[in-house]
Amino acid sequence: DAEITQSPRHKITETGRQVTLACHQTWNHNNMFWYRQDLGHGLRLIHYSYGVHDTNKGEVSDGYSVSRSNTEDLPLTLESAASSQTSVYFCASSESPRDSGNTIYFGEGSWLTVV
Amino acid sequence: DQQVKQNSPSLSVQEGRISILNCDYTNSMFDYFLWYKKYPAEGPTFLISISSIKDKNEDGRFTVFLNKSAKHLSLHIVPSQPGDSAVYFCAAIYSGGGADGLTFGKGTHLIIQP
Repeated sequence: DAEITQSPRHKITETGRQVTLACHQTWNHNNMFWYRQDLGHGLRLIHYSYGVHDTNKGEVSDGYSVSRSNTEDLPLTLESAASSQTSVYFCASSESPRDSGNTIYFGEGSWLTVV
Repeated sequence: DQQVKQNSPSLSVQEGRISILNCDYTNSMFDYFLWYKKYPAEGPTFLISISSIKDKNEDGRFTVFLNKSAKHLSLHIVPSQPGDSAVYFCAAIYSGGGADGLTFGKGTHLIIQP
């Protein structure tokens, strides 16, 4: 079965360190997204991509970067981790740019703690 | 400014009764609305959706109602079951834009009591 996987599922890192969260999907979806979920904020979009070599900033992109070198992967990098980036991160993918949302598939999440 | 609002952080309902989760939106451009369900340690999964051309959509025990004039939608679960205990996110999008425009509410934690 096609799926979307995130790694690591849990990570503790120190302030100032660079951290990369991996996301891999096997649906061959063009669209990929990174969200963060925080208490009191719901899901907020960090970065997204509509295809290889395409990346775009979302609502809360400061301190994060992504790259899209192939269809399957969209790694999320925290250049210099800050305590404010302690959160649960969800990767997601969907089929077409005009997708209305019901075929967005989410990964199981990556819990990141910055100490 | 929050464009999709779920004003109840939590809701407790007895098993077998009706659960009603509410959601309000402020952006008039939104024309497609969705509910996602999330269990602990899992990602959100799509539950049910409704287009702005409709005022009701049913799928088994789940019904979503849309009141465009009030910019309000609600999710009804009848009858409520223990497996319905989860966080429910309301989301909205302008279908003429990109999927990046999907905007989520803060979520409501539904607890079904035996």
